[in-house]
Amino acid sequence: GQNIDQPTEMTATEGAIVQINCTYQTSGFNGLFWYQQHAGEAPTFLSYNVLDGLEEKGRFSSFLSRSKGYSYLLLKELQMKDSASYLCAVMDSNYQLIWGAGTKLIIKP
Amino acid sequence: GAVVSQHPSWVICKSGTSVKIECRSLDFQATTMFWYRQFPKQSLMLMATSNEGSKATYEQGVEKDKFLINHASLTLSTLTVTSAHPEDSSFYICSALAGDVEQFFGPGTRLTVL
Repeated sequence: GQNIDQPTEMTATEGAIVQINCTYQTSGFNGLFWYQQHAGEAPTFLSYNVLDGLEEKGRFSSFLSRSKGYSYLLLKELQMKDSASYLCAVMDSNYQLIWGAGTKLIIKP
Repeated sequence: GAVVSQHPSWVICKSGTSVKIECRSLDFQATTMFWYRQFPKQSLMLMATSNEGSKATYEQGVEKDKFLINHASLTLSTLTVTSAHPEDSSFYICSALAGDVEQFFGPGTRLTVL
């Protein structure tokens, strides 16, 4: 079956760095997405990785290793507004998104 | 970036009535749109894939006669929840596929059935 695993919840301190991991097993692979979702809102797109390596975009970076079925989202210089759920999703061979349950990130002052 | 809108943002209705939710891609054409629902503290669950000009493809366990989907144009898909009941109360989110890969999500519609 298809499966996406990510931690349920993480806590970090304002100004610090946090890494959110995601492992996956899917039928085919057409890229991995990270989304940010604030409570009561639809998820917003953060990043897309289809090749191995690190993609940097401002304070957010996303890494992919296809051979290991592994990705992480790295958030630097954490701000209180970064408190949200972070969803990992893999696009399978049918171009449909398989979603993880999301990681709730709590930022403390 | 590409923008997807949903209307209404929230709706409250009585049990037994039908509710229509619209999903529009504002600045691009989307032959494929997706409908999701999300319960509190849970991830999105795909309900159906809507293809312009053809019948929608429903996920297992989703009643096609209850959740009617119409994708009549390249910029509009509608989801009608027929004979809504309190257990249908949820957050409904649509997304539109731009190109082959990237999905752009609508803001969501919160449905409350009394």
